Amino acid sequence: GQQLNQSPQSMFIQEGEDVSMNCTSSSIFNTWLWYKQDPGEGPVLLIALYKAGELTSNGRLTAQFGITRKDSFLNISASIPSDVGIYFCAGQLGTGANNLFFGTGTRLTVIP
Amino acid sequence: GAVVSQHPSRVICKSGTSVKIECRSLDFQATTMFWYRQFPKQSLMLMATSNEGSKATYEQGVEKDKFLINHASLTLSTLTVTSAHPEDSSFYICSASHGGGSTDTQYFGPGTRLTVL
Repeated sequence: GQQLNQSPQSMFIQEGEDVSMNCTSSSIFNTWLWYKQDPGEGPVLLIALYKAGELTSNGRLTAQFGITRKDSFLNISASIPSDVGIYFCAGQLGTGANNLFFGTGTRLTVIP
Repeated sequence: GAVVSQHPSRVICKSGTSVKIECRSLDFQATTMFWYRQFPKQSLMLMATSNEGSKATYEQGVEKDKFLINHASLTLSTLTVTSAHPEDSSFYICSASHGGGSTDTQYFGPGTRLTVL
């Protein structure tokens, strides 16, 4: 299957700090998505990106679809304790109900 | 909108028994449902894709006779782990998609934690 690598694997940050994480792939995707997963729960969609170069915000979250279509980043500004969780990127090859290929995940810990 | 539920949320069973997990789309019709498996501290791995009324498509390495998937209606898909063994213990997550259109977002269920003793 497709391999999506996320970095960093884990982050420990102070409350109020900004966070940046990225996702790279050896393959081109037509859609990039970012999900957050809390322990024992399913992933929740944060941001969806459909066009190369697209920059999209959702509250304190901002994500960009890389120009090469092989990467994406997610920024979280002014982190708060409830931002704790695992963040996954996911790539989708087509605009139909295609398979999602998930990244390796970034575990975020916010220290109050 | 776009709520997906799973039942049960957790199940413990003895080795050799079969376990059925249900995935329901509560407020939309899901033409396609996906089943994922997630081992501790790992990412989600797609097991199979099912379209309502047709046979599921399994990913490479996933035994279709062991993981039986039924997508009998537009709001329900079931995954049955047959003759479960301890190595099948995992977090199983389903997702559902409207299908069609240009943005087929997958909405995820809350997951089912299976522990096989």
